[in-house]
Amino acid sequence: ETGVTQSPTHLIKTRGQQVTLRCSSQSGHNTVSWYQQALGQGPQFIFQYYREEENGRGNFPPRFSGLQFPNYSSELNVNALELDDSALYLCASSLKNSAYYGYTFGSGTRLTVV
Amino acid sequence: TQLLEQSPQFLSIQEGENLTVYCNSSSVFSSLQWYRQEPGEGPVLLVTVVTGGEVKKLKRLTFQFGDARKDSSLHITAAQPGDTGLYLCAENTNAGKSTFGDGTTLTVKP
Repeated sequence: ETGVTQSPTHLIKTRGQQVTLRCSSQSGHNTVSWYQQALGQGPQFIFQYYREEENGRGNFPPRFSGLQFPNYSSELNVNALELDDSALYLCASSLKNSAYYGYTFGSGTRLTVV
Repeated sequence: TQLLEQSPQFLSIQEGENLTVYCNSSSVFSSLQWYRQEPGEGPVLLVTVVTGGEVKKLKRLTFQFGDARKDSSLHITAAQPGDTGLYLCAENTNAGKSTFGDGTTLTVKP
């Protein structure tokens, strides 16, 4: 059973640029959630994808967008990067409605915007 | 949106000591999870508690869920350096989304 893998592990971008982060979900998991974790804080929910459709969104602007593919892998896209977007971006996979079992997280992508 | 308060924010202890960290909310939890996150890694699920008054043990870790399901605690007995990390609590909604607290950063010194 493979876990959640994210790429790249680290990334440096310039303010105003666009970035795409990728995530492969754990085998058997059909739901992918994305979280942003700023330094010293807990993860903040960005959005969730289930069966290739957005299934809930947190308090993030539209320049944060995502995709889920038929194999349940997912992408997070951020346009017009701002300095405050610097954070650890975490992907988590789960089975829909499996609140009891929690998430399996990847190791994250560390994004630095300069 | 439910806000989770975790305390203390930071905790530094010597190996062998016991400790307790807390997670509180003004609202009732549907279910609560505890995660541990090590630097450079994603959070790893430790336990899920669902029933008010529930107590779960995981080796030296004891998790309690308050009777009213508005608070939870994590107690570690005889802490070891390997216990060092960020301990996060998270409330999971029926829709499968989680709201996290800001965590307790634990440092266990040898």
